Amino acid sequence: GAVVSQHPSWVICKSGTSVKIECRSLDFQATTMFWYRQFPKQSLMLMATSNEGSKATYEQGVEKDKFLINHASLTLSTLTVTSAHPEDSSFYICSAHPSGGTETQYFGPGTRLLVL
Amino acid sequence: DAKTTQPTSMDCAEGRAANLPCNHSTISGNEYVYWYRQIHSQGPQYIIHGLKNNETNEMASLIITEDRKSSTLILPHATLRDTAVYYCIVKGSGNTGKLIFGQGTTLQVKP
Repeated sequence: GAVVSQHPSWVICKSGTSVKIECRSLDFQATTMFWYRQFPKQSLMLMATSNEGSKATYEQGVEKDKFLINHASLTLSTLTVTSAHPEDSSFYICSAHPSGGTETQYFGPGTRLLVL
Repeated sequence: DAKTTQPTSMDCAEGRAANLPCNHSTISGNEYVYWYRQIHSQGPQYIIHGLKNNETNEMASLIITEDRKSSTLILPHATLRDTAVYYCIVKGSGNTGKLIFGQGTTLQVKP
């Protein structure tokens, strides 16, 4: 149990285009999901907290108009990187916090984005 | 959330126990200690968490000192597949508790 999936697992896009990444909790409902970014040889950096049915909360320094987050259901959150540039190339990882009191978050396998 | 301090790297011989320390001297009474690991190019994997009592599951044991200022993650019989970056994180309870990752400990299990 407690499986989180991400789609796509990797994506290559041209500079200036937008890319959508999906995060799904497969066997549980998640009121709250989190989005992270990880550059090579660095740790995970929290980008935003996604709450079902409400606006996401972004960490300091993360542009909300560039990284659009939608959490329309209890099993799906999406991150859209708008007008992507090469510096947005990174490993994007989501996590989901099961609704109902458990303290554990479960992570997806990550999406590798390369912007040319 | 309290900050944690971990050694940058550690080696362990295959088949031996791996003991990974973590200092969290500013931990509050309602904050949990979580351990995750990240194998190269994958998402982090949950290992174990605890509040004040020692915990054990099929993956590892977590030993928390009585004053809760430090803890040790124990992998009882390390295998090559346990080579990963191990993160010790302190988090408050509830859905809004964010996991803030530090640099972690890179554990290299050697044959």
